[in-house]
Amino acid sequence: AQKVTQAQTEISVVEKEDVTLDCVYETRDTTYYLFWYKQPPSGELVFLIRRNSFDEQNEISGRYSWNFQKSTSSFNFTITASQVVDSAVYFCALRGGYNKLIFGAGTRLAVHP
Amino acid sequence: GAGVSQSPRYKVAKRGQDVALRCDPISGHVSLFWYQQALGQGPEFLTYFQNEAQLDKSGLPSDRFFAERPEGSVSTLKIQRTQQEDSAVYLCASRASGTSYEQYFGPGTRLTVT
Repeated sequence: AQKVTQAQTEISVVEKEDVTLDCVYETRDTTYYLFWYKQPPSGELVFLIRRNSFDEQNEISGRYSWNFQKSTSSFNFTITASQVVDSAVYFCALRGGYNKLIFGAGTRLAVHP
Repeated sequence: GAGVSQSPRYKVAKRGQDVALRCDPISGHVSLFWYQQALGQGPEFLTYFQNEAQLDKSGLPSDRFFAERPEGSVSTLKIQRTQQEDSAVYLCASRASGTSYEQYFGPGTRLTVT
């Protein structure tokens, strides 16, 4: 079975704090793809990153970084020096059959000034 | 526009009514997906099209749900005899062919069944 678990339902931080969003996945596939999406209050899901299973190199994009660890089946997302505009719901997803996405329940991040 | 568009953005239906939700994917995108997102939950897969062929409809919750994409571009999700549990945001996504696996989502249609 394929499954994505985001154990943190809500996180609240003050601006400029660093915050890490956890994602744990389950799959029997040897090759798989993981994704992070952001859903701001407007509702549209915004693609952030794709990672394939054979590339364990961590990635940094500005204030965003991702830590992929196959040994623990985790794909965590860190925002450095958070800003109010980072407030949103963040979803981790796993690619399933026919390229459908299997989403976690999401983590709601609130960044306060 | 350059993105995925959906209409209507909001729909209120009385229980028992039929509704039709439209999705215009990004031009040239071969793959089209429909997802259902209940309040406070992650999106859940409904159905998938490759061009005009519906290759996976395993996520459709009942035979009241029907989707089509007759010319391989615009898609319509139809829900017959709506029930309160159908209230959700319906998201459409499209994806280019090849190894680009990310899906690009529309703004969604919020359906409220009263």
